[in-house]
Amino acid sequence: LAKTTQPISMDSYEGQEVNITCSHNNIATNDYITWYQQFPSQGPRFIIQGYKTKVTNEVASLFIPADRKSSTLSLPRVSLSDTAVYYCLVGDLISGNTPLVFGKGTRLSVIA
Amino acid sequence: SQTIHQWPATLVQPVGSPLSLECTVEGTSNPNLYWYRQAAGRGLQLLFYSVGIGQISSEVPQNLSASRPQDRQFILSSKKLLLSDSGFYLCAWSVRGTASGNTIYFGEGSWLTVV
Repeated sequence: LAKTTQPISMDSYEGQEVNITCSHNNIATNDYITWYQQFPSQGPRFIIQGYKTKVTNEVASLFIPADRKSSTLSLPRVSLSDTAVYYCLVGDLISGNTPLVFGKGTRLSVIA
Repeated sequence: SQTIHQWPATLVQPVGSPLSLECTVEGTSNPNLYWYRQAAGRGLQLLFYSVGIGQISSEVPQNLSASRPQDRQFILSSKKLLLSDSGFYLCAWSVRGTASGNTIYFGEGSWLTVV
């Protein structure tokens, strides 16, 4: 079961690009990397997912190096509403037989 | 479309009382189901997960139990609550057998305060 390690917290000013890195040294061949965002008193919600290289959607980009032992979530031009906890999740979504264990997450605070 | 519901949304229970939180998923079949707990200001702790009816795996030892009496129903229970059981409980589901684009979906959450 791939464990993940993220910074506990990060601060950023509005309008800046934020990069949050997650380490997952023992990622398995079938594991996908998924990032979630959680606001207080709400369940986490999906941001982006990838297997290798780079993935981009309307809210974020995900960079995954060739060895897949880490990944970086990139949030372009953050705003105050991006203040939340961000989780990196690594799991086998094909077989679905392994539990999806979240790490401690990164608390991002966006400052005006 | 798929939806997930859990209830009650808020619960205040005395120490030693029983607990029952219920979760149902609609619009999908044979999902993986999960119960997570989040203490105030803390990360998500996986409590139980289930890959099918009657199949429950426990991730941490505790005085809580889970049951899956039907394919899309997941129940979290306790016979005697402890103060340390207080927290935000989240039910979630995911679909097996697909790769890219798969994700885990969370319910609205249930706030439990044990007094």
